[in-house]
Amino acid sequence: GAGVSQSPRYKVAKRGQDVALRCDPISGHVSLFWYQQALGQGPEFLTYFQNEAQLDKSGLPSDRFFAERPEGSVSTLKIQRTQQEDSAVYLCASSFTGGSTEAFFGQGTRLTVV
Amino acid sequence: AQSVTQPDIHITVSEGASLELRCNYSYGATPYLFWYVQSPGQGLQLLLKYFSGDTLVQGIKGFEAEFKRSQSSFNLRKPSVHWSDAAEYFCAVGPSNFGNEKLTFGTGTRLTIIP
Repeated sequence: GAGVSQSPRYKVAKRGQDVALRCDPISGHVSLFWYQQALGQGPEFLTYFQNEAQLDKSGLPSDRFFAERPEGSVSTLKIQRTQQEDSAVYLCASSFTGGSTEAFFGQGTRLTVV
Repeated sequence: AQSVTQPDIHITVSEGASLELRCNYSYGATPYLFWYVQSPGQGLQLLLKYFSGDTLVQGIKGFEAEFKRSQSSFNLRKPSVHWSDAAEYFCAVGPSNFGNEKLTFGTGTRLTIIP
């Protein structure tokens, strides 16, 4: 596709449920980022991949959060045993490392934990 | 640690009026600075970026920003706003310009345009 695609766009989860959020980056983009945006806040970094390698996961808030990118393309952010504080918009971004200076963002997945 | 402050949570301007959104940063080395815009239900779109050189940067949609090292500021300006500029604006700082480093964002400024 032409841009970064995220699915689902909206997800309502019951507290304690596991969820999986998907990101399809722009074809050929090496770098992939996940950000969490709470209501009324700016995006906060969660984790970063270069191809299939997860180079930085310092922003993951707890061990309930797990991200993978097994083939260096599609990425999945998984949240286990969701809590109300996990409610946020989860943004994915990708970029072509090696000269490009712009990361392109998807529309995000809005997760509501009830 | 790097940080970004956007002191104005919400700004209202009349259509056709000029606009300035403030951004202050804290960073130990030469910063790479960005402005993004986010419309409701949308992702972030890059307006402009500063890496080096000319401190006045031109972006898309008629926006510009000026880097002032002495004031640690990177304010966004537009001479005449349009109703379609109503959105949330985020300033961000990063350690490199190669798209492979994480960004630190401010909390955003919501822009409302009145007719």
